[in-house]
Amino acid sequence: QVQLVQSGAEVKKPGASVKVSCKASGYTFTSYYMHWVRQAPGQGLEWMGIINPSGGSTSYAQKFQGRVTMTRDTSTSTVYMELSSLRSEDTAVYYCARPMSPGSYCSGGSCFNLDYWGQGTLVTVSS
Amino acid sequence: QSALTQPASVSGSPGQSITISCTGTSSDVGGYNYVSWYQQHPGKAPKLMIYEVSNRPSGVPDRFSGSKSGNTASLTISGLQAEDEADYYCSSYTSSSTLYVFGTGTKVTVL
Repeated sequence: QVQLVQSGAEVKKPGASVKVSCKASGYTFTSYYMHWVRQAPGQGLEWMGIINPSGGSTSYAQKFQGRVTMTRDTSTSTVYMELSSLRSEDTAVYYCARPMSPGSYCSGGSCFNLDYWGQGTLVTVSS
Repeated sequence: QSALTQPASVSGSPGQSITISCTGTSSDVGGYNYVSWYQQHPGKAPKLMIYEVSNRPSGVPDRFSGSKSGNTASLTISGLQAEDEADYYCSSYTSSSTLYVFGTGTKVTVL
């Protein structure tokens, strides 16, 4: 069965960076894109970006351009999301999420049907 | 890119039907048939309920249905049940550089 297991909660100071991991199992890791979505306390969902685990190509939401880096390690079937220059507004639960269709069968919006989600990682930014 | 607009709350009695609206623009909801709906219970990850406007993933009850007209998408829950009480978010692919946008979220209360 598909599982996405994320790393544990983090507490960071303003200005620091955080790197969250998402280990995938139960499917061919390189066949499906991976997305990152975050949710501030009591707030809605916010899409951050997408990575193609096969070649490592990425696309980030404009809001996070320059501050976010998504990478992958195919040897461990793990994707990473690193966010830098943290501020208090970055306090949120960060989720990785996999679409229902493999990359070779999706195009455009169909690559965004997020069917499997990690359990979430709480990142707290506080001085 | 602004979030899609949803009502803050919707309520209904068990067995009733409710509809949640999701209003966007011609650059997102109106421009693509890539509207999804997610259900989120407190402290849990979101769950995909509807994708590409009106399709249900395997395992989602047929009480949940989706539709779209112009720049507004809708999620209807028929035969409302206690376990349907949750937050619901719409989302859409968008032509903006953001690529994907979520709605503001709707809290569904079962009276």
